[in-house]
Amino acid sequence: DTGVSQNPRHKITKRGQNVTFRCDPISEHNRLYWYRQTLGQGPEFLTYFQNEAQLEKSRLLSDRFSAERPKGSFSTLEIQRTEQGDSAMYLCASSRQALYEQYFGPGTRLTVT
Amino acid sequence: QKEVEQNSGPLSVPEGAIASLNCTYSDRGSQSFFWYRQYSGKSPELIMSIYSNGDKEDGRFTAQLNKASQYVSLLIRDSQPSDSATYLCAVNKGTGGFKTIFGAGTRLFVKA
Repeated sequence: DTGVSQNPRHKITKRGQNVTFRCDPISEHNRLYWYRQTLGQGPEFLTYFQNEAQLEKSRLLSDRFSAERPKGSFSTLEIQRTEQGDSAMYLCASSRQALYEQYFGPGTRLTVT
Repeated sequence: QKEVEQNSGPLSVPEGAIASLNCTYSDRGSQSFFWYRQYSGKSPELIMSIYSNGDKEDGRFTAQLNKASQYVSLLIRDSQPSDSATYLCAVNKGTGGFKTIFGAGTRLFVKA
């Protein structure tokens, strides 16, 4: 099966702009996760979907972040009014029902200038 | 106290040696434990998962879990230069939840 894909791979934006990232999970995986990773740190949990339902969202996430998975397939992560502190690698992962083993996509590297 | 703690390293071992990577976690209710490998500039790649106390072997890798001590380790036998990477320990928060917490990772260097 094909792996998790993410688009775009790189995004440079100016502070204050909105950005949207897309994640396509492995086809038979019904669970989808978003993480953020900065240099020297492990991935930081942002949110999680089971099918189309968003079941958990990090308290660290401000109201500027929103994620959707409208048909239980691909997901989008939107960041509104970007700040320089949002610069990071945004990772998407997926897993099968009843298994917690997550498989990561290549990530989207965001740079806010 | 961090929820998942790892020594940041770097850990340097000669080629052919055994590399030992360690991880401790704070939530006693944690049920699932994972090791990921991450090369510089790449995304994490799953190496091992372990769910019950004891050892689990897969090729040159052995994961060890001790829930009483809240300790997970990864042994890499016959280390190769291609094993040089950051190794991330990840812990699932337990029943009823799917949030996975990652440690900051241990950098491993295998010297040829």
